[in-house]
Amino acid sequence: DVVMTQSPLSLPVTLGQPASISCRSSRSLVYSDGNTFLNWFHQRPGQSPRRLIYKVSKRDSGVPDRFSGSGSGTDFTLRINRVEAEDVGIYYCMQNTHRPLTFGGGTKVEI
Amino acid sequence: QVQLVESGGGVVQPGGSLRLSCVASGFSFSNSGMHWVRRDPGERLEWLAFVRYDGNDHHYADSVKGRFTISRDNSKNTLYLQMNNLRPEDTAVYFCARITGTPDYWGQGTLVTVSS
Repeated sequence: DVVMTQSPLSLPVTLGQPASISCRSSRSLVYSDGNTFLNWFHQRPGQSPRRLIYKVSKRDSGVPDRFSGSGSGTDFTLRINRVEAEDVGIYYCMQNTHRPLTFGGGTKVEI
Repeated sequence: QVQLVESGGGVVQPGGSLRLSCVASGFSFSNSGMHWVRRDPGERLEWLAFVRYDGNDHHYADSVKGRFTISRDNSKNTLYLQMNNLRPEDTAVYFCARITGTPDYWGQGTLVTVSS
């Protein structure tokens, strides 16, 4: 199985400041069709997860443009360019290039 | 609006069984591949199973293969997860979700507790 390793585990942030989360996969996430199926999800306290980013850098509808995704191959990053209070919670990367789908362990973002 | 409503969770003894259901509305369920994902008490997410839109293809995580069965009834817009031989480590909140389509959809989750 593809192991997804996120860092840091916990990320203290300051409102209005940037933040970034790293996700590394144990093998390349490039699919045979050239796409890279790397996603980022956000889970607010008491809520279900919600996807922010798919295919490395595509924002889902309604996701603020302060969120961006980048990376290639095995190394990926989620960036928040100015943290807002509603951004607290746990962030997960997930790959669906290879079966089984696998999630990273999560990064807890706290103000 | 889109809704995924899970039910069927509860407390069960080790070795017991439960059947989770997820009723979908507000989107084209019959054209959507669907998944079950769980969140354990440590807040880790684990993908469990996938069923193709027509029900004719399934995939499972190794941790549940042979014990859990995913199925669907498109005439009822309902997704199922039959869980047998439950273990304490299966204790988690279980979500049905469409996570490999755009947009993604998640239910609110149903809690399964496996304890004697």
